[in-house]
Amino acid sequence: AQSVTQLDSQVPVFEEAPVELRCNYSSSVSVYLFWYVQYPNQGLQLLLKYLSGSTLVKGINGFEAEFNKSQTSFHLRKPSVHISDTAEYFCAVSVVTGGGNKLTFGTGTQLKVEL
Amino acid sequence: DAGVIQSPRHEVTEMGQEVTLRCKPISGHNSLFWYRQTMMRGLELLIYFNNNVPIDDSGMPEDRFSAKMPNASFSTLKIQPSEPRDSAVYFCASSIQGTNEKLFFGSGTQLSVL
Repeated sequence: AQSVTQLDSQVPVFEEAPVELRCNYSSSVSVYLFWYVQYPNQGLQLLLKYLSGSTLVKGINGFEAEFNKSQTSFHLRKPSVHISDTAEYFCAVSVVTGGGNKLTFGTGTQLKVEL
Repeated sequence: DAGVIQSPRHEVTEMGQEVTLRCKPISGHNSLFWYRQTMMRGLELLIYFNNNVPIDDSGMPEDRFSAKMPNASFSTLKIQPSEPRDSAVYFCASSIQGTNEKLFFGSGTQLSVL
């Protein structure tokens, strides 16, 4: 079975500063990787996904993530954050074979952007 | 498209009562998922359907929980009897099966069992 670890439960950062949200996964088979964002009182929305090809994936709102197979990581980055980026961010993994769209989510990282 | 529609938005009930949560997936999507979100355990997959058929219900906590999908445009998650520890936000999501397209989430149902 696959699992996802988000070590940081909260990340405070000042506006316009860079940020990195960490995600590590564990799986015995190849995986697809995702980052979702949840704004207060809303459902989750897809930020970006890695299926294959280039290991650097760009998503919406200026976010990007890099797949590192040797380190089993998929960290999310943004060079300059905005107040509106304050939200909870979830890393997720699904298996390549037979898993369809069944996602396993991490526990989430609360990003708090301050002035 | 209106997106994934869940009702009710909020539900407050007393312990022992039956609770029914409803979900309308996006038209054309043939995979539907029920998730539960709590502070303690984060986002947990309860059950998912492909083409109205339950594929994996290993996340359903116990027999008090049941889910149905009588047709492609409607699903219910029922808790009977409800308990305070069932208090959580329940999300429904839909997608196109097998394409690893993104999940589209509803706005959730905030359930409080007193």
